[in-house]
Amino acid sequence: GQQLNQSPQSMFIQEGEDVSMNCTSSSIFNTWLWYKQDPGEGPVLLIALYKAGELTSNGRLTAQFGITRKDSFLNISASIPSDVGIYFCASNQFYFGTGTSLTVIP
Amino acid sequence: EAQVTQNPRYLITVTGKKLTVTCSQNMNHEYMSWYRQDPGLGLRQIYYSMNVEVTDKGDVPEGYKVSRKEKRNFPLILESPSPNQTSLYFCASTALARGNEQFFGPGTRLTVL
Repeated sequence: GQQLNQSPQSMFIQEGEDVSMNCTSSSIFNTWLWYKQDPGEGPVLLIALYKAGELTSNGRLTAQFGITRKDSFLNISASIPSDVGIYFCASNQFYFGTGTSLTVIP
Repeated sequence: EAQVTQNPRYLITVTGKKLTVTCSQNMNHEYMSWYRQDPGLGLRQIYYSMNVEVTDKGDVPEGYKVSRKEKRNFPLILESPSPNQTSLYFCASTALARGNEQFFGPGTRLTVL
């Protein structure tokens, strides 16, 4: 099955820094979804994108659906310790990225 | 409260001993899935069900079975577990009308010795 190419694989950042991660695919999708997985729990939806070019924010999080419909990125501004976790991109066809593990150093 | 529950949360077993992981959702979703999560591989779909009595293989179905006798329940069955099935398992329920947004259970950490 297809997987989405997500990068970076891991990030170690200082509290207060901004974070950027992205996801690419060789296929076109109609929806991009970004999830966060806290340690010991299941993934939870952060942002859903339904239209090419769409830019959506949720608090300090901003995500964009690429114009080509083959990519998406997620930005986190002014990171805080509770941002720690694994972030996954996903498509409407039930494919997931390999995840970005984020560590925030206080 | 919208919820997906799965049990047990942790399980240590031995090779060949049949086990079942239960999953239940209260959102009246038709589509449900099972995933396994392994380091560096992300989430991979094992099996999915589009409705009662309708199940199909995902990307990594070997060694697993599922059943969907009722809409809310979707158990995962390992008839003869092997060590390579040691993993973290998630059940998910999907809102098809919302771009396939998925609601995940809390996970089951399985170790097969």
